[in-house]
Amino acid sequence: AQKVTQAQTEISVVEKEDVTLDCVYETRDTTYYLFWYKQPPSGELVFLIRRNSFDEQNEISGRYSWNFQKSTSSFNFTITASQVVDSAVYFCALSEDQGGSEKLVFGKGMKLTVNP
Amino acid sequence: EADIYQTPRYLVIGTGKKITLECSQTMGHDKMYWYQQDPGMELHLIHYSYGVNSTEKGDLSSESTVSRIRTEHFPLTLESARPSHTSQYLCASSARGGSYGYTFGSGTRLTVV
Repeated sequence: AQKVTQAQTEISVVEKEDVTLDCVYETRDTTYYLFWYKQPPSGELVFLIRRNSFDEQNEISGRYSWNFQKSTSSFNFTITASQVVDSAVYFCALSEDQGGSEKLVFGKGMKLTVNP
Repeated sequence: EADIYQTPRYLVIGTGKKITLECSQTMGHDKMYWYQQDPGMELHLIHYSYGVNSTEKGDLSSESTVSRIRTEHFPLTLESARPSHTSQYLCASSARGGSYGYTFGSGTRLTVV
């Protein structure tokens, strides 16, 4: 069965600090997809990134970077030089490839507070 | 600009009332989902649909019901609201299922008093 673990439930940092959000997943499938979503205080979930299991190349997008390591089943997310606007709940999610009938499995979320 | 719309955004309602939470998407997605999010943040899948006239219960048992008469519309109904139904309800849609991620609406924050 699929499982996503976000061991940290809440992190508080001061603006400009770097912060890493951990995500560990379990799956029996060789083809799967990993996601990060952001949920700001307004409530909607905003898609950040999608990565398939065959692409272990790390990705950087502005202040955001993602480190995907199949050997440790981890897909960690780092925010560099955090800002107050980064304050949100962040969800890691996993989907196995089942020909279109699959569902996303979410972690429990991690609340990030960035203080000025 | 949102392509998936949820109304109302906030709702406070008395115990025993019947309510319908609306969810509509303009992307032509076949797959739609309802999540309940408790104050502890965790997302629980309560209903999903893979197309018109198709509805399934999710991983968390819910007293709500859903219908899918049109592709773009996936309303959720509570026949008799209770304080235990107080939560945020998030609607999502997808063109091809979980592998391509979901697009989420802004959610409905329901409070039952």
